[in-house]
Amino acid sequence: DGGITQSPKYLFRKEGQNVTLSCEQNLNHDAMYWYRQDPGQGLRLIYYSQIVNDFQKGDIAEGYSVSREKKESFPLTVTSAQKNPTAFYLCASSSPGTSVETQYFGPGTRLLVL
Amino acid sequence: SQQGEEDPQALSIQEGENATMNCSYKTSINNLQWYRQNSGRGLVHLILIRSNEREKHSGRLRVTLDTSKKSSSLLITASRAADTASYFCATDRNTDKLIFGTGTRLQVFP
Repeated sequence: DGGITQSPKYLFRKEGQNVTLSCEQNLNHDAMYWYRQDPGQGLRLIYYSQIVNDFQKGDIAEGYSVSREKKESFPLTVTSAQKNPTAFYLCASSSPGTSVETQYFGPGTRLLVL
Repeated sequence: SQQGEEDPQALSIQEGENATMNCSYKTSINNLQWYRQNSGRGLVHLILIRSNEREKHSGRLRVTLDTSKKSSSLLITASRAADTASYFCATDRNTDKLIFGTGTRLQVFP
């Protein structure tokens, strides 16, 4: 049963707290991505990684951090520096070619601030 | 920054009717993709059309691409209530990442 899993489904953050969102894939994809989606909006790229131990900032990286120690895993940490973290977070993966091919998405994590 | 802009923002139709959504973009691309998102879920890839293609079909879906006008359209024929979702276009902008539009919310009434 191949795919991308994200956990938890819902996450609550207290003021000043760092929280980590999990993303795992068993599709053997090299590239992984994190997006943020606000209500009624499109997706905005936070970070992406084309290969293990390497990642690049997307359009809205401030207040977030990532790691890519394993091919299957790309966790996202929402730090206390992110002042407006309430959003729906989506992880995706793809097998990159000469251009960006189809991305496969996880079910998402909804982050709420207490 | 948003590369694609979908039009209309929202669309309501009856079952059996066709639904047409449009996407405009600003810079040259290698390919354009359409994705679907059910409420509160992840996105699902529908179709990819490359810059040297003009039209592509997949089941009840028909996608066109006009690179001279920097626009694409997604047609869903004989719509069903289960087609109710948001639809997004995404372009690669000749880079290694996708840029998503703001989406069209489609409501199909039984």
